Amino acid sequence: AQKVTQAQTEISVVEKEDVTLDCVYETRDTTYYLFWYKQPPSGELVFLIRRNSFDEQNEISGRYSWNFQKSTSSFNFTITASQVVDSAVYFCALRSGSGGYQKVTFGTGTKLQVIP
Amino acid sequence: EAQVTQNPRYLITVTGKKLTVTCSQNMNHEYMSWYRQDPGLGLRQIYYSMNVEVTDKGDVPEGYKVSRKEKRNFPLILESPSPNQTSLYFCASSGTGGYTEAFFGQGTRLTVV
Repeated sequence: AQKVTQAQTEISVVEKEDVTLDCVYETRDTTYYLFWYKQPPSGELVFLIRRNSFDEQNEISGRYSWNFQKSTSSFNFTITASQVVDSAVYFCALRSGSGGYQKVTFGTGTKLQVIP
Repeated sequence: EAQVTQNPRYLITVTGKKLTVTCSQNMNHEYMSWYRQDPGLGLRQIYYSMNVEVTDKGDVPEGYKVSRKEKRNFPLILESPSPNQTSLYFCASSGTGGYTEAFFGQGTRLTVV
């Protein structure tokens, strides 16, 4: 069975602070894919990043950065200099499977509130 | 424009009355799936399909059916809806490699009374 844990249910930060959202995953598969999605108050799901299990290279995109560590089964997401527009629910997701079948498991999400 | 289209966006129905939520994508994606989103539980996968005529259960398949007769369409069927199926439903599609983002529909807010 596969599992994704986002232990932080809600986080509040003051604008311009840095914030890290944690994601810990479990899977028995050696090939798997990790994703982060953003769900703003309007409700749509916005893709942020994907990583496959072969690529532990960290990535930076503007104020966003991701730290993938297979040794700790973590795929953490950092927002630098947070802004009010970053207020949303953030989901980490894992896609893995075998025999040609791949299930997707989402974490329960972290609600981020950025206070002006 | 690449998109996943769900219909209807909002639906209120009564217990036991069969309903279908449609999902269509225009990206020729092989992988399609349905999720339900409930407060505190995140998104949970209901069913997924790797390609035409290939479907499998996700984590919460009870009370739902799906079919994949065409590549672009993946309807979700509730044969006898119950109040515990009141939820926000999302359809998504992506390529099979896994190394592709999932495109999500706008969501269907279902209320079963």
